[in-house]
Amino acid sequence: DSGVTQTPKHLITATGQRVTLRCSPRSGDLSVYWYQQSLDQGLQFLIQYYNGEERAKGNILERFSAQQFPDLHSELNLSSLELGDSALYFCASSVGGLYQETQYFGPGTRLLVL
Amino acid sequence: AQKITQTQPGMFVQEKEAVTLDCTYDTSDQSYGLFWYKQPSSGEMIFLIYQGSYDEQNATEGRYSLNFQKARKSANLVISASQLGDSAMYFCAMRGSGETSGSRLTFGEGTQLTVNP
Repeated sequence: DSGVTQTPKHLITATGQRVTLRCSPRSGDLSVYWYQQSLDQGLQFLIQYYNGEERAKGNILERFSAQQFPDLHSELNLSSLELGDSALYFCASSVGGLYQETQYFGPGTRLLVL
Repeated sequence: AQKITQTQPGMFVQEKEAVTLDCTYDTSDQSYGLFWYKQPSSGEMIFLIYQGSYDEQNATEGRYSLNFQKARKSANLVISASQLGDSAMYFCAMRGSGETSGSRLTFGEGTQLTVNP
């Protein structure tokens, strides 16, 4: 158990819908990262938050947005869902944001868009 | 830009034998970290081992060791005394310290390891 929690574990929805994925980082970790894992794209970094502020953006679509709340939990919002958004979405956390810090991953949310 | 290359899509090993999973990387950053993660069929990503670019000794964590050859830009994972529970996908990843690389972990495509009894 990494100490990072993600809910829900599984999500099935239809095209055009909107969903929210939730992540709670390890106790004491200030940085939260979101990754997407799909068969065709592999593991891709989406976005990072540090202590409530957006720190870095990766290959995140405009239809996707995220935020980190004062209690440090984070939410990833996916809207106008398409079939290609079906993937495993991971949240990870680390203490700060330094390159040498290990990022610990949550169990992931498996999203299926029908 | 950072890049991780894992050239072995699949590897097979006999139980109790050692296996090496290859990883080469490319980065323009002077400081960087290299990581290995294990992903069993259940899907979670499990951190295994870390090597810093300035670490003079190869990292070890139990049965896992990282064979770090900086000049060759390689960071191979060695698993000793393989167990059936080691069957999983293994990802090599790196994170640079530079402004261009940001905070992201860049992952390779992974190696599917199968341990045979």
